[in-house]
Amino acid sequence: DQQVKQNSPSLSVQEGRISILNCDYTNSMFDYFLWYKKYPAEGPTFLISISSIKDKNEDGRFTVFLNKSAKHLSLHIVPSQPGDSAVYFCAASAGLVSGAGSYQLTFGKGTKLSVIP
Amino acid sequence: DTGVSQDPRHKITKRGQNVTFRCDPISEHNRLYWYRQTLGQGPEFLTYFQNEAQLEKSRLLSDRFSAERPKGSFSTLEIQRTEQGDSAMYLCASRFANTGELFFGEGSRLTVL
Repeated sequence: DQQVKQNSPSLSVQEGRISILNCDYTNSMFDYFLWYKKYPAEGPTFLISISSIKDKNEDGRFTVFLNKSAKHLSLHIVPSQPGDSAVYFCAASAGLVSGAGSYQLTFGKGTKLSVIP
Repeated sequence: DTGVSQDPRHKITKRGQNVTFRCDPISEHNRLYWYRQTLGQGPEFLTYFQNEAQLEKSRLLSDRFSAERPKGSFSTLEIQRTEQGDSAMYLCASRFANTGELFFGEGSRLTVL
């Protein structure tokens, strides 16, 4: 039973345009959400996060939106650059806001983003 | 470099052999995690340490797997009697106290022939 779902295995975007990566979750106990970027043969690199008490968090070209009622979050990259080409993982954690639990992350299967020059 | 380091980066072994991976977390991080990633999947949680105490283990962690963090610093993950299904990338991550982000190492790729 996948608790974090990224339904698009791949996405191609022209350089300079917006990239929108989507993620859905089923566990209502999740209260902290993160996006990681992964290049081949490397470990995941933290990109941006959002707590369940917010609905938007912005960091430079990256913005994450959280819709708790729909159990949906999205990552917007504007403008997209060729160096953004990588696999993006959505991850969620339960208990971080409340202070309970191990804060282990549950990951989606990833979306491969290709930014075309 | 003060990030999470893992050793070895690649390991090829024959079925039935034992393998051990080492992880050195970021020095001030007291929480350490092991994950496994197979092709086309996201990282899957295996186990978690707070200082030297192993506080949580996934059902994925069969009895052939054992992890230790003897002095609350580096950690080892041992797989005994390896099987072809153990072939995967083993990722170590660490975090400090109640911060949200896990910082991952570059992973140890295991190939079981």
